Amino acid sequence: QKEVEQNSGPLSVPEGAIASLNCTYSDRGSQSFFWYRQYSGKSPELIMSIYSNGDKEDGRFTAQLNKASQYVSLLIRDSQPSDSATYLCAVNLGTGGFKTIFGAGTRLFVKA
Amino acid sequence: EPEVTQTPSHQVTQMGQEVILRCVPISNHLYFYWYRQILGQKVEFLVSFYNNEISEKSEIFDDQFSVERPDGSNFTLKIRSTKLEDSAMYFCASRQPLGTSGYEQYFGPGTRLTVT
Repeated sequence: QKEVEQNSGPLSVPEGAIASLNCTYSDRGSQSFFWYRQYSGKSPELIMSIYSNGDKEDGRFTAQLNKASQYVSLLIRDSQPSDSATYLCAVNLGTGGFKTIFGAGTRLFVKA
Repeated sequence: EPEVTQTPSHQVTQMGQEVILRCVPISNHLYFYWYRQILGQKVEFLVSFYNNEISEKSEIFDDQFSVERPDGSNFTLKIRSTKLEDSAMYFCASRQPLGTSGYEQYFGPGTRLTVT
């Protein structure tokens, strides 16, 4: 059974701090990785995609991928109360992009 | 900005009834997906669809489920005989052809299905 594991949290950080979210996955053949944000009662919203080892930055968000360790992370700099949500790690199984599995998500609280 | 739309937003049905959930993917997207999320649980993959056929499906997607692209814009999920455990949020997602924006999927707002 292919799995994506995340710490469920909650992770609580003060406003302005860096939030660090982590994810591990079991399928060594996976090549595509995503972070989604989900507010309560809403649908997942894509934040970042990452396909190559290393860092990828987009505004306040940085995704990090280490395929050898089967590890993906998301850093949120200058965290804002509006960043309070559940962050979902998602992985495409194999290379075709036809099946995506999600972690259970990490709940993030940013305290004003 | 283009977005995925879904109707209805909330569907209540009785056990054993058939339901059809509707999605309009982003217009130039060619790959379509259905997911479900039971309250308090993770998002679960159901099925992917490309070129008018199923590409992948999960163990959840049994004979009670079917998908269809009846015209150039809609993508539907049918549950033939609903069970209480089908109560969940159902999300449609779509993505562009590979080479334009990778494998990024964009989700619709979801349909909350309640089976009584």
